[in-house]
Amino acid sequence: NAGVTQTPKFQVLKTGQSMTLQCAQDMNHEYMSWYRQDPGMGLRLIHYSVGAGITDQGEVPNGYNVSRSTTEDFPLRLLSAAPSQTSVYFCASSYYRGAGTQYFGPGTRLTVL
Amino acid sequence: SQKIEQNSEALNIQEGKTATLTCNYTNYSPAYLQWYRQDPGRGPVFLLLIRENEKEKRKERLKVTFDTTLKQSLFHITASQPADSATYLCALETNTGNQFYFGTGTSLTVIP
Repeated sequence: NAGVTQTPKFQVLKTGQSMTLQCAQDMNHEYMSWYRQDPGMGLRLIHYSVGAGITDQGEVPNGYNVSRSTTEDFPLRLLSAAPSQTSVYFCASSYYRGAGTQYFGPGTRLTVL
Repeated sequence: SQKIEQNSEALNIQEGKTATLTCNYTNYSPAYLQWYRQDPGRGPVFLLLIRENEKEKRKERLKVTFDTTLKQSLFHITASQPADSATYLCALETNTGNQFYFGTGTSLTVIP
């Protein structure tokens, strides 16, 4: 199993550009989520999904969209990038809520100029 | 407001000693509390989970305690090794939703 994969690993955007961060898992997990990690702030939940076709907002959803058309994939879209979205983004998955282990991807380091 | 606080200072200990990390929370009703390890440039890796009705959980050299009255979890690494040097994160999952809330982490350095 590849686990949770994320692409790209690094990305530089200009203010106002849009892009999609890709996340895929091959463990047949129902629950998937996106976090951002900023110095001194810890991991903060952006959006999550409890299954294909079901998504919901987390703590910091503004400026981001998600969709979950398949169990495997959970892309995160930045609609119009802003410097405040400079961060490291992690995707995670688990079998279901309360199942314990969240498996994290390697992260995407995004810089918005 | 809701807060999850971990040791604010980095923790340095001698090899072989027991490292104790704290996680305090306010205004949450956690169903589960988890501990993760994160190495520089990598995603967090799950270590242990403890449920609200459990007092203690062990896994090899790791031990987690959970006191819902004190609103605190302690994470212990016994017989610490330099390879244990990393940042350790605690995370809560609440009864009321599908969301996880993370602390800011504690950086642990084990000195040979």
